[in-house]
Amino acid sequence: AQSVAQPEDQVNVAEGNPLTVKCTYSVSGNPYLFWYVQYPNRGLQFLLKYITGDNLVKGSYGFEAEFNKSQTSFHLKKPSALVSDSALYFCAVRDIGSWGKLQFGAGTQVVVTP
Amino acid sequence: GAGVSQSPSNKVTEKGKDVELRCDPISGHTALYWYRQSLGQGLEFLIYFQGNSAPDKSGLPSDRFSAERTGGSVSTLTIQRTQQEDSAVYLCASSPRVSETQYFGPGTRLLVL
Repeated sequence: AQSVAQPEDQVNVAEGNPLTVKCTYSVSGNPYLFWYVQYPNRGLQFLLKYITGDNLVKGSYGFEAEFNKSQTSFHLKKPSALVSDSALYFCAVRDIGSWGKLQFGAGTQVVVTP
Repeated sequence: GAGVSQSPSNKVTEKGKDVELRCDPISGHTALYWYRQSLGQGLEFLIYFQGNSAPDKSGLPSDRFSAERTGGSVSTLTIQRTQQEDSAVYLCASSPRVSETQYFGPGTRLLVL
């Protein structure tokens, strides 16, 4: 079975400081990993994905994520957080047996204070 | 261009009633997905359609849930004899093909009284 874990329910960061949202995964074979963000009363917005290639993936709104195979992690990062980055962030992995199925982590609430 | 749209945005119904939720995917996308987001269960996959292939229904929680996709475009998720535990946000997504990035709609918030 495969899974993703987001160990932090909430991350608090001051505006201008670096932001990291953690994600670890457990899959057999090569993982296909995604990050989505959800603003209040909105659907999920795609940020970035890792399929293969460079371990550092750059995405939307200045976000990037680092794939680390040895640590089975795919942490989301932003060098300088904005108040508008406050939202719910989800890590997801594509199901090996069913490519249409994304399995999501529980989500991490990011709160950026001015 | 236009994104995924869903209707209604909110739905309140009484226990035991049937409800239909609609999803309009991005034009040209052949794959369409339904997920459910609830406080207790997080984000759960329900079903997906890829072109004319048989849908993957493996995430549907009971036989009260069904979905169809007519003409390879619009999809309807139907919940029969609704229960209070069906209260959730139902999210639809689409992608150009099943292996590609999924783009989500705003969701339908369902409340079963």
